[in-house]
Amino acid sequence: QVHLVQSGAEVKKPGATVKVSCKASGYTFGNYAIHWVRQAPGQGLEWMGWINAGSGKTKYTVRFQGRVTYSRDKSTRTVYMELSSLTSQDTAVYYCAREGSFDAFDLWGQGTMVTVSS
Amino acid sequence: QSVLTQPPSVSAAPGQRVAISCAGSSSNIRDEYVSWYQQLPGTAPKLLIFDTNKRPPGISDRFSGSKSGTSATLYITGLQTGDEADYYCGAWDSSQSWIFGGGTKLTVL
Repeated sequence: QVHLVQSGAEVKKPGATVKVSCKASGYTFGNYAIHWVRQAPGQGLEWMGWINAGSGKTKYTVRFQGRVTYSRDKSTRTVYMELSSLTSQDTAVYYCAREGSFDAFDLWGQGTMVTVSS
Repeated sequence: QSVLTQPPSVSAAPGQRVAISCAGSSSNIRDEYVSWYQQLPGTAPKLLIFDTNKRPPGISDRFSGSKSGTSATLYITGLQTGDEADYYCGAWDSSQSWIFGGGTKLTVL
């Protein structure tokens, strides 16, 4: 079966860094880009950027540039999102999502809740 | 503030048809594919429509999509209580970013 499985919930203090993982299974890992989307409590979806799982090429939105890093490990079929200098505004559920063949996100991880609190 | 504009909420009775609009611009919807996502409470979004009007395998034909100019619409026919969810439109923008609508909460009365 085709899955994206994310790491568990995190609680961080302001100024800290969080690293969320997204493990793919059931498809050819390097053939797809993985995007990161976050959703603050009670809010809509916010796109954060993507990583090409094959080449490792990345694209970051201006809003997060300098604070976020995407990486991947082809041997474990895992993509990572690292977000630094956390503030309470970063409290959200973070999703990884696979970009399918038609400019759409056809497979989503279950989400990782990141709470930033002193 | 979302670049794609959706109504915050819509409602209809079971069995009825509902339309959810998504207004964009010439830098996104007009020249790009539109996708729609359903997010049931407490779950991850799920792809309903891609390429403006195509359904992935396993998605009911009660869901359909269309586009005209800079706006897109999701239609749901034969409403069921299980359709109560938040619905999001999405599209690539020429600013080199992916954008979503603000989401529409569907209530089945």
